Amino acid sequence: EVQLVQSGAEAKKPGESLKISCKGSGYSFTSYWIGWVRQMSGKGLEWMGIIYPGDSDPRYSPSFQGQVTISADKSISTAYLQWSSLKASDTAMYYCARLRGSMIGDAFDLWGQGTMVTVSA
Amino acid sequence: QSALTQPASVSGSPGQSITISCTGTSSDVGGYNYVSWYQQHPGKAPKLMIYNVSNRPSGVSYRFSGSKSGNTASLTISGLQAEDEADYYCSSYTTSSTLWVFGGGTQLTVL
Repeated sequence: EVQLVQSGAEAKKPGESLKISCKGSGYSFTSYWIGWVRQMSGKGLEWMGIIYPGDSDPRYSPSFQGQVTISADKSISTAYLQWSSLKASDTAMYYCARLRGSMIGDAFDLWGQGTMVTVSA
Repeated sequence: QSALTQPASVSGSPGQSITISCTGTSSDVGGYNYVSWYQQHPGKAPKLMIYNVSNRPSGVSYRFSGSKSGNTASLTISGLQAEDEADYYCSSYTTSSTLWVFGGGTQLTVL
C-alpha cells in the first residue's frame, strides 16, 4: 500500500527541541518531493517547506525559514521536521504530503495522517 | 490573511450543484495551471480532489470538476451528497518565494 505514516502526537514545553517523522512506503521514496504543511486549530493550511529525498535538497517558505529544519534519510524512506526551540505558537497539526509530479508547483497527492504538536508550559 | 480568497461557507441541498471560487492574482492562479483543490473532513488529513486546474486523480468522483478564468479558479460539485460535507481548500503555485499558497478554506454544508 502506498502511504505516508507520521510519528505520534507530541506534548512539549517551550524551549524544548522536537523532531517528527514521516515514513513513506509502497513507492520509490527518493523519486518524489515531500512537503510539510501546518494547520493550526480551526485554521487553514500553510505550506512550510519541501524536500527531495533523493538529494536532500530542502526549500522553505519564507514564513518558516529559520524556524524549522526539514531533512530526510533515504535509507529508511523517512522525512523529518524539526524545531530547536519550540514556542507555544508552534502548537498545531503538522502534515507531510507527497508531491504528485516532479515539477515544483504540482499538487500533493498523498498525505500522512498528521502529527499533533502541543507546546505548553 | 490567506493569499488566495475563498468564500467562508457555501451550502446546498442533496442533488444540487455548488461552486466554490478561489481568487488570486496573475502571480499565482492567473499565471499558471498549477491550481489544486483539497477536501478535508473533520479530524482527517486533506485529500486531493483536483490538480492542474481541472484534472481528477484516480478514484475521485466525476461529480467534482475544476476550471479557471483569469485569476479565479472554481471547484464545482454536482449531485451533492451528504458525504461531500467538508472543508475545501484551493492551492496554487506562486512566483513568490513561498512557492505554494492556499486559500482560507470553504466550509460546505449539505442541507
